[in-house]
Amino acid sequence: SAVISQKPSRDICQRGTSLTIQCQVDSQVTMMFWYRQQPGQSLTLIATANQGSEATYESGFVIDKFPISRPNLTFSTLTVSNMSPEDSSIYLCSARGQGAGGAGNTIYFGEGSWLTVV
Amino acid sequence: GDSVTQMEGPVTLSEEAFLTINCTYTATGYPSLFWYVQYPGEGLQLLLKATKADDKGSNKGFEATYRKETTSFHLEKGSVQVSDSAVYFCALSERNQGGKLIFGQGTELSVKP
Repeated sequence: SAVISQKPSRDICQRGTSLTIQCQVDSQVTMMFWYRQQPGQSLTLIATANQGSEATYESGFVIDKFPISRPNLTFSTLTVSNMSPEDSSIYLCSARGQGAGGAGNTIYFGEGSWLTVV
Repeated sequence: GDSVTQMEGPVTLSEEAFLTINCTYTATGYPSLFWYVQYPGEGLQLLLKATKADDKGSNKGFEATYRKETTSFHLEKGSVQVSDSAVYFCALSERNQGGKLIFGQGTELSVKP
């Protein structure tokens, strides 16, 4: 199994500022993803974090607003840029396990980074 | 495109009652299916999963069976506890999507003593 750690776990941010969230996995994984969960809503995929190259963004999300890095197999960052109150959400890092069978079919989540923009 | 539909909440039950949360899906391929649980103020935890038709996932007394013929993955528990109060998310992942998940809207469960 894999354990995913996110930092910060919570933060209160000023409007117009940017915040970078870090995601560290304790074992090698294949794919890494970032999701957003707005208050009372389900999870929406922001992007797939690709190792050593630009992330692949889902419809409605752009690199200028949510720049993502993944310098190696176990670490990724998501930046929320020029924040507004509408960006108040939980941001979750996710990773797919490595290997065949059960491990490769398991998708793990971090505990989330709870951001409030004021 | 692919989608997941869950029964609307909130669902309120008395302790020891039987729980069913319905989940149906639409997929172009042959997805893996998951149930995740989010306890109040916490992140997302994998509850159970199934990767092929007729597979039954189970954990902590919860069960769900992958029904390809009805495109369903209903969550059941025979006797709920107050500690089961949480939001439950059904999700799918297509085999060629590398682990991207599509979530249902979530069903809030409240269990009263």
